Amino acid sequence: LAKTTQPISMDSYEGQEVNITCSHNNIATNDYITWYQQFPSQGPRFIIQGYKTKVTNEVASLFIPADRKSSTLSLPRVSLSDTAVYYCLVGAPGGNKLVFGAGTILRVKS
Amino acid sequence: EPEVTQTPSHQVTQMGQEVILRCVPISNHLYFYWYRQILGQKVEFLVSFYNNEISEKSEIFDDQFSVERPDGSNFTLKIRSTKLEDSAMYFCASSTRTASLSTNEKLFFGSGTQLSVL
Repeated sequence: LAKTTQPISMDSYEGQEVNITCSHNNIATNDYITWYQQFPSQGPRFIIQGYKTKVTNEVASLFIPADRKSSTLSLPRVSLSDTAVYYCLVGAPGGNKLVFGAGTILRVKS
Repeated sequence: EPEVTQTPSHQVTQMGQEVILRCVPISNHLYFYWYRQILGQKVEFLVSFYNNEISEKSEIFDDQFSVERPDGSNFTLKIRSTKLEDSAMYFCASSTRTASLSTNEKLFFGSGTQLSVL
């Protein structure tokens, strides 16, 4: 399983763009990169998933360079409600055992 | 949007007692999971389940744990004899994964059951 490394925490202000980078140096050829968000006392929630280049949905963008050894989750114009823990997961073939790391605690201030 | 439902939201039990945590996965999903999260710690994988069989389990999922899909909708986690260290939030998840190998699955989590063992 590819191990992921993320910053422990980040602080931002409302209205700013936030970029959270995840390193996954030993990502396998078939692995996808998936980001989840978790609020206190709630289950993780799927945000976005990608394999290469750029993926965008209504919530976020995901940038993946050509070597795929890292990825960046971009949250445009964050609000207080975006305060949460963000997890980067790299899926093993078969996906039986998605492993959550420590995640990045994002604090958005007013 | 369809969602995974877990009951109860909170469960308090005495050490040594059996508990059953219940989950209703999203109806057309085929893969089901249990994860747990001890307060302040990582979300930990317990077990995955497909076609009425355990697909994979972690070291945490010892003989005290079992899973079952007793009917077409419920998915349960049983802890036979609870210990103090079983106190955690337990999350059920179901997946978009199909029978063929898939590395781009998306997990949908329930809101969790907070288990407190006294």
